[in-house]
Amino acid sequence: SYELTQPPSVSVSPGQTASITCSGDKLGDKYACWYQQKPGQSPVLVIYQDTKRPSGIPERFSGSNSGNTATLTINGTQAMDEADYFCQAWDNRDVVFGGGTKLTVL
Amino acid sequence: EVQLVESGGGLIQPGGSLRLSCAVSGFTFSSYEMSWVRQAPGKGLEWVSYISSSGKTTYYADSVKGRFTISRDNSKNSLYLQMNSLRAEDTAVYYCARIRTDSSGYSRLDYWGQGTLVTVSS
Repeated sequence: SYELTQPPSVSVSPGQTASITCSGDKLGDKYACWYQQKPGQSPVLVIYQDTKRPSGIPERFSGSNSGNTATLTINGTQAMDEADYFCQAWDNRDVVFGGGTKLTVL
Repeated sequence: EVQLVESGGGLIQPGGSLRLSCAVSGFTFSSYEMSWVRQAPGKGLEWVSYISSSGKTTYYADSVKGRFTISRDNSKNSLYLQMNSLRAEDTAVYYCARIRTDSSGYSRLDYWGQGTLVTVSS
């Protein structure tokens, strides 16, 4: 079965750029999505089709995907961005999630 | 406003059965594929099941195949997950999620419910 791998944690200072990676075999041949989940809340879609932002998602969130790695980038990270982030891809109609990355803003 | 509201969770003994429901509003339910995703306490997201807009096509994670059944009633704007032979490792918050697919054929889970907690324990 297809697997996606994320670093368990990433730390960033307020105002700096945070990058969260997601690795999978030939992931660049698929489209990646990213979800943000804050404690006690449901996941929220922040990036889809590698680079697109749903309405209401701040412009500081961006994504890329090439080769075996998709990357979620948060420019000018704010305290409110502290959350768990999950990448996701499709394996036929099966949904595959990465293990999640806890982003700490300190 | 798009809303998905899960219900039916609770405490159940190992080997027992439970039926989860997801009531949706704010969009044309019959036009969308749907999915169930679960999250064990303190863990990551795990996809559970998929159903096509008509209900004719379903897929399951290996971990629940043969025990769980996804279904939908488009006349009632509702999605269901019948869970049988429950195990301790099925303990999780269960989310229903809408699948949005573009004309290009690429999909994403664009709306999620608030989740319902299933606890399997004696």
